[in-house]
Amino acid sequence: QTVVTQEPSFSVSPGGTVTLTCGLSSGSVSNGHFPSWYQQTPGQPPRTLIYSTTARSSGVPDRFSGSILGNKAALTITGAQADDESDYYCVLYMGSGIYVFGSGTKVTVL
Amino acid sequence: QLVESGGGLVQPGGSLRLSCAASGFIVSKTYMSWVRQAPGKGLEWVSVIYADGNTYYADSVKGRFTISRDNSKNTLYLQLNSVRAEDTALYYCAEMGQSAMQVWGQGTTVTVSS
Repeated sequence: QTVVTQEPSFSVSPGGTVTLTCGLSSGSVSNGHFPSWYQQTPGQPPRTLIYSTTARSSGVPDRFSGSILGNKAALTITGAQADDESDYYCVLYMGSGIYVFGSGTKVTVL
Repeated sequence: QLVESGGGLVQPGGSLRLSCAASGFIVSKTYMSWVRQAPGKGLEWVSVIYADGNTYYADSVKGRFTISRDNSKNTLYLQLNSVRAEDTALYYCAEMGQSAMQVWGQGTTVTVSS
């Protein structure tokens, strides 16, 4: 069974840049997986940040950007702010109607 | 907007039906998913129903859960049968687009316990 991998945690300084990745236990992530990214703070539903690898959802600040880096999907936060401290999840479309979430990355801004 | 309901306490082996009332768009003309989150854990995709009626499920719920919709009520459902303790979670419905969850509800909580 394919596992979608994410870093467990990251720490970034205010104003700094951090890149989170989303990989596969077997194989490479491509645009054909339609990578998407979600931000979740405690007690709140997820918020969609990025879809189709690079498209930013309505209202999402341009400090959030998506890309493919090597064999993984990536979410970059440029100029991190205190309220970016959240859990971040990626989703990959695996084909045949199946979607898989990554295990999530906890981002701390300090 | 999406509003989930129907969660509650259910005994192991029991059944429950979750609802997701949609407004502002037509459920039958798009595709929608259920996503769950166990207490203190990450998000898990559960099921999707496409506009053409095709349905797909995560292996963890296949054969036990059924996704459906009522076009006249513009409502999405998730029927949970043969529930287990590991099905305890907050269940979200989401409108999909471009292979991503685009709009999320607030969720409804399912607790499986005797």
